Amino acid sequence: QVQLVQSGAEVKKPGSSVKVSCKASGGTFSSNYAVSWVRQAPGQGLEWMGGFIPIFGRPNYAQKFQGRVSITADESTSTAYMELSSLRSEDTAIYYCARPASGSYYTSPLVYWGQGTLVSVSS
Amino acid sequence: DIQMTQSPSSLSASVGDRVTITCRASQGINNYLAWYQQKPGKVPKLLIYAASTLQSGVPSRFSAGGSGTDFTLTISSLQPEDVATYYCQMYDSALGTFGGGTKVEIK
Repeated sequence: QVQLVQSGAEVKKPGSSVKVSCKASGGTFSSNYAVSWVRQAPGQGLEWMGGFIPIFGRPNYAQKFQGRVSITADESTSTAYMELSSLRSEDTAIYYCARPASGSYYTSPLVYWGQGTLVSVSS
Repeated sequence: DIQMTQSPSSLSASVGDRVTITCRASQGINNYLAWYQQKPGKVPKLLIYAASTLQSGVPSRFSAGGSGTDFTLTISSLQPEDVATYYCQMYDSALGTFGGGTKVEIK
């Protein structure tokens, strides 16, 4: 059974950056998997930030986060990373990594989810 | 980016009622549409993919349909354990936009 284990909660200052990790056990983060990052602000809905697109061999990002987010992966350790820069208070949210059930070409339905990482941005 | 609009944003129904949630895409998404259930304090759970295919293990009272830009999720007989927020998500064009969510409560 695939498990995604994310790094712990972070408290950041406005203007700084945060990097969240997501390690797969019982599975892999090979370049065949369209791993996505999704965030959820307190009391708000789910927001897709971006994901790795296997057929492109690189990530694609939601327009809202273009230039501020970077998604990478280390296949040797089955770990994905999401880095968000120029943090502001509105970025306070739970950040989730998620993965489809199997390899795919494009973004795919998300079956496996990490436990979430709370990022708090406050001066 | 493609926008996804869900309605209603919340609803209250009685146990046993039939409940329908609507999701509309700002352009056609080739039926690359998924539905998720998120209970309070929990991670989202995939219910439906490819617009109408039930994910393994999901109760058969959940069904979904639609095509092009208009999609629906139906709970045929609402149960207490179905109290949750439901989200649609498109996964076309290398994007994964979610709808705003529909909170379902028991009357």
